[in-house]
Amino acid sequence: AQSVTQPDIHITVSEGASLELRCNYSYGATPYLFWYVQSPGQGLQLLLKYFSGDTLVQGIKGFEAEFKRSQSSFNLRKPSVHWSDAAEYFCAVGPDQTGANNLFFGTGTRLTVIP
Amino acid sequence: GAGVSQTPSNKVTEKGKYVELRCDPISGHTALYWYRQSLGQGPEFLIYFQGTGAADDSGLPNDRFFAVRPEGSVSTLKIQRTERGDSAVYLCASSLLGYTDTQYFGPGTRLTVL
Repeated sequence: AQSVTQPDIHITVSEGASLELRCNYSYGATPYLFWYVQSPGQGLQLLLKYFSGDTLVQGIKGFEAEFKRSQSSFNLRKPSVHWSDAAEYFCAVGPDQTGANNLFFGTGTRLTVIP
Repeated sequence: GAGVSQTPSNKVTEKGKYVELRCDPISGHTALYWYRQSLGQGPEFLIYFQGTGAADDSGLPNDRFFAVRPEGSVSTLKIQRTERGDSAVYLCASSLLGYTDTQYFGPGTRLTVL
């Protein structure tokens, strides 16, 4: 069965600093990979997704992620963090090997941005 | 345009009661998903509709949980004989065709079972 691991529960960065959020997945084939952001009182919003092709994916709000098959990773990056980026970030993978249509989410990384 | 809406935003009930949670997807989206998010966890898949039919209900935890989408638009998640362990935020998402399309999430319904 597939799984997603986000090893960092909470990360604190200074505004303007760079950011990297880690995501590792377990899957038997090429996965579909997603990053979502969840702000307080807001629904989950898709930042970016990877299905195939170029392993460096650009998303909204200045985020990017790189798929590395050899490391089973799909880390999210942003060169300069803004205070408004403070939120919970979820990595997700889909589908599973039975062809189910759902996403499997990691447990999330909470980002705090300090002035 | 209007996004995915969910009602109520908060629901408090007593153990053993029946609850219904409603989801209004984005107009024209044929795929609809329900997820459950417990505190400190990521969303956990419950059920997926393609049109009116439940294409995948493998995530429903037991037979107390049931969902319908009779006209291929609005969906209702029904929980019978609620238990304290059912307390969570229930999220609904919709996408244009299937899971490879972007899933747009609603704000969720926070269910508290006392």
